[in-house]
Amino acid sequence: IAGITQAPTSQILAAGRRMTLRCTQDMRHNAMYWYRQDLGLGLRLIHYSNTAGTTGKGEVPDGYSVSRANTDDFPLTLASAVPSQTSVYFCASRATSVTDTQYFGPGTRLTVL
Amino acid sequence: GQNIDQPTEMTATEGAIVQINCTYQTSGFNGLFWYQQHAGEAPTFLSYNVLDGLEEKGRFSSFLSRSKGYSYLLLKELQMKDSASYLCAVMDSNYQLIWGAGTKLIIKP
Repeated sequence: IAGITQAPTSQILAAGRRMTLRCTQDMRHNAMYWYRQDLGLGLRLIHYSNTAGTTGKGEVPDGYSVSRANTDDFPLTLASAVPSQTSVYFCASRATSVTDTQYFGPGTRLTVL
Repeated sequence: GQNIDQPTEMTATEGAIVQINCTYQTSGFNGLFWYQQHAGEAPTFLSYNVLDGLEEKGRFSSFLSRSKGYSYLLLKELQMKDSASYLCAVMDSNYQLIWGAGTKLIIKP
């Protein structure tokens, strides 16, 4: 079934630990995004990639890094997790046109203690 | 700064009509999106407006006025499954989506 998968579904992490959230899409979409969603706030863009081999910073990039080695995968890494990174993380992808809709993965619920 | 405003919560009755408003102030405008998000799930696309006017899609319609920085989502013949959060998002001059905090819609029988 075409779509976006994310792993893990949820994770509890000790502060200071390194963590990589995985995102894979099989729709051959060029653009991919990482958002975090916190209660009472809108989705906030962390990092994005317009095409394989390129990445860019969003609204809240500090403490996070990404890579885009190929079209399908877009992992998000927290180098040293802090409690303020407790959130639900969504990966999304978009086809060719910038005004195409974004399709979202099921999300990863991350708790940093 | 960039800002998207929508009501935090609304309540409506099954079978009725509800209008969810969204006002925005952004650096540039390349279209406005509405997404639906059920609790614990991912957002899913509902509509896209880039020109002024009303776009109708089944029970859902979306309206845009660019001069007023205003949009609304109209849901008709409400069903219990429409209980969800509705997210308004504007594509800015950098072609990035700026998201509102969402409107939680509660449907009562």
